Amino acid sequence: DSGVTQTPKHLITATGQRVTLRCSPRSGDLSVYWYQQSLDQGLQFLIQYYNGEERAKGNILERFSAQQFPDLHSELNLSSLELGDSALYFCASSVDGRPNTEAFFGQGTRLTVV
Amino acid sequence: QKEVEQDPGPLSVPEGAIVSLNCTYSNSAFQYFMWYRQYSRKGPELLMYTYSSGNKEDGRFTAQVDKSSKYISLFIRDSQPSDSATYLCAMNPFGNEKLTFGTGTRLTIIP
Repeated sequence: DSGVTQTPKHLITATGQRVTLRCSPRSGDLSVYWYQQSLDQGLQFLIQYYNGEERAKGNILERFSAQQFPDLHSELNLSSLELGDSALYFCASSVDGRPNTEAFFGQGTRLTVV
Repeated sequence: QKEVEQDPGPLSVPEGAIVSLNCTYSNSAFQYFMWYRQYSRKGPELLMYTYSSGNKEDGRFTAQVDKSSKYISLFIRDSQPSDSATYLCAMNPFGNEKLTFGTGTRLTIIP
């Protein structure tokens, strides 16, 4: 158990809908990352937050948004869902978000868009 | 062309064999190199981390980085069935926290 908690574990929703994925980082970790893992694209970095502020952005679609709250948990919002958004969404956390600091991954949320 | 290329496998080897996993990359700014292991239905977990070129050993695992060739390797000695997993290489430039991952190599160790 990495200490990073993601909910829900599984989510099935219809195209056009909006969903929210939640992540609780390890105790003491200030930085949260979101990744998307699909069969054809592999693990893709979406966005990073550090202590409530956005720190780095990857190939995150405009339909997707995220935030980190004062208690350091984070939410990833996905809207106007398309079939191609079906993937595993991982959250990771690290103490300080530096490149040489280990990031611990949660078990992921499997999103299926039908 | 992807920034990081990794042979997806699958790769099957007998127990006790030496396994070699590799990635090539195109971005010369990459300075930090990692190997993650991902078991089925789990999140990735960090195995090895190296900075710049050179070798690093940790138990049965050895990571090598050759920046001149833009090539990194992970060697697993005395492979065990419990090593069966998908292995992902990852890297990022100095000062930029976002990791760029390879697509992963699926490894099976046959008892």
